[in-house]
Amino acid sequence: KQEVTQIPAALSVPEGENLVLNCSFTDSAIYNLQWFRQDPGKGLTSLLLIQSSQREQTSGRLNASLDKSSGRSTLYIAASQPGDSATYLCAVRPDTGNQFYFGTGTSLTVIP
Amino acid sequence: DAGVIQSPRHEVTEMGQEVTLRCKPISGHDYLFWYRQTMMRGLELLIYFNNNVPIDDSGMPEDRFSAKMPNASFSTLKIQPSEPRDSAVYFCASSPTGGMNTEAFFGQGTRLTVV
Repeated sequence: KQEVTQIPAALSVPEGENLVLNCSFTDSAIYNLQWFRQDPGKGLTSLLLIQSSQREQTSGRLNASLDKSSGRSTLYIAASQPGDSATYLCAVRPDTGNQFYFGTGTSLTVIP
Repeated sequence: DAGVIQSPRHEVTEMGQEVTLRCKPISGHDYLFWYRQTMMRGLELLIYFNNNVPIDDSGMPEDRFSAKMPNASFSTLKIQPSEPRDSAVYFCASSPTGGMNTEAFFGQGTRLTVV
């Protein structure tokens, strides 16, 4: 069964810093990987999706990379803002079966 | 499209009562997923459907839980009888078929409290 881990579990940074969130998965046979944001008491908002054939995806200040062979993905947030404070979750979709396996999440706090 | 719609947003019920959670997926999506989120276990897949047919229900915790999808635009997750340990946020998600670029879209969740 796919295991997905996110490190660190919590991160606190001053506004303006660049930061990296990590996601690792045990089975490299994936279809795609998706990064989500979750605000307290809210649902999940999709940020970026990387196909298994891709190396990275960018959206605004966010850049996600994927190294499938080593079972790793990173989410890079440039010039962090207080509004970026949320929990960030990664999810992998295996290439057999259609469910999504979620990581444990990283709780990010950006201090003004 | 309004996105994935779940109801109710909050539910407080007494132990032993039946609880029914509802989900309307995005039109045209043929995959529907039910997840449960707790502090201890994070997001866990309970069951998912493809074209209204249950494909994998191995995550359903026990016989007290059941899920149905009578048509492409509606699904229910029922807990009978409910127990305090069922307290969690239940999410519904939907996804289209087709290619590596298919994303999952989540509803706002139903926060269930069983007292």
